[in-house]
Amino acid sequence: DIVMTQSPLSLSVTPGDPASISCRSSQSLLHTNGYNYLDWYLQRPGQSPQLLISVNSRRASGVPDRFSVSGSGTDFTLTIRRVEADDVGVYYCMQALQTPPTFGQGTRLDIK
Amino acid sequence: QVYLVESGGGMVQPGNSLRLSCAASGFSFNMYSMHWVRRAPGKGLEWVASLSNTGNKRDYSDSVKGRFTISRDNFQSTVFLQMDSLRSDDTAVYYCGRARDRDGRDFDYSGQGTLVTVS
Repeated sequence: DIVMTQSPLSLSVTPGDPASISCRSSQSLLHTNGYNYLDWYLQRPGQSPQLLISVNSRRASGVPDRFSVSGSGTDFTLTIRRVEADDVGVYYCMQALQTPPTFGQGTRLDIK
Repeated sequence: QVYLVESGGGMVQPGNSLRLSCAASGFSFNMYSMHWVRRAPGKGLEWVASLSNTGNKRDYSDSVKGRFTISRDNFQSTVFLQMDSLRSDDTAVYYCGRARDRDGRDFDYSGQGTLVTVS
């Protein structure tokens, strides 16, 4: 199975400041079609997981462009350009290249 | 608008069974693979099982293989998760998810979840 490792596991951010979360995979997530099969999900408190960014860094419908992903292969970074109060929750990276799909441990973001 | 509504959760004793349902609406259910994922208390998300749109391809996590069975009824637009031989470490909120791009290993919509407590 592909192991996903996130860091940090928690971060506290002042509104308006940027935030970054790193995700590393134990195998390359770069498919032969040129796409990285790496997703990012946000689970807000008391809510279900929401897809933020999917394969090859495509933002899901309704996700603001404050959210972006960089990286390829085994190393990825989710960047939130200006954190807002609504961004609070647990962020997960997930690989969708192989079965079983696997998640990182999650990174809890809260607001200072 | 895509809607997924899970039901069937509850409290059961170890070794017993439970059947979860996920009713879908707002899309052509018979064209999409479906997933179940879960989140145990204090833990992260874990993929549990997937089923192709026709029902002929199933995948399970090692932690539930042989104990859980995923199935679907395309006429009722519902996906099920039959959970047998339940253990305490199956305690979690269970979410169903619609496969992204119809057959992706990831999901683009999920329901509000249903809580399963094994104790």
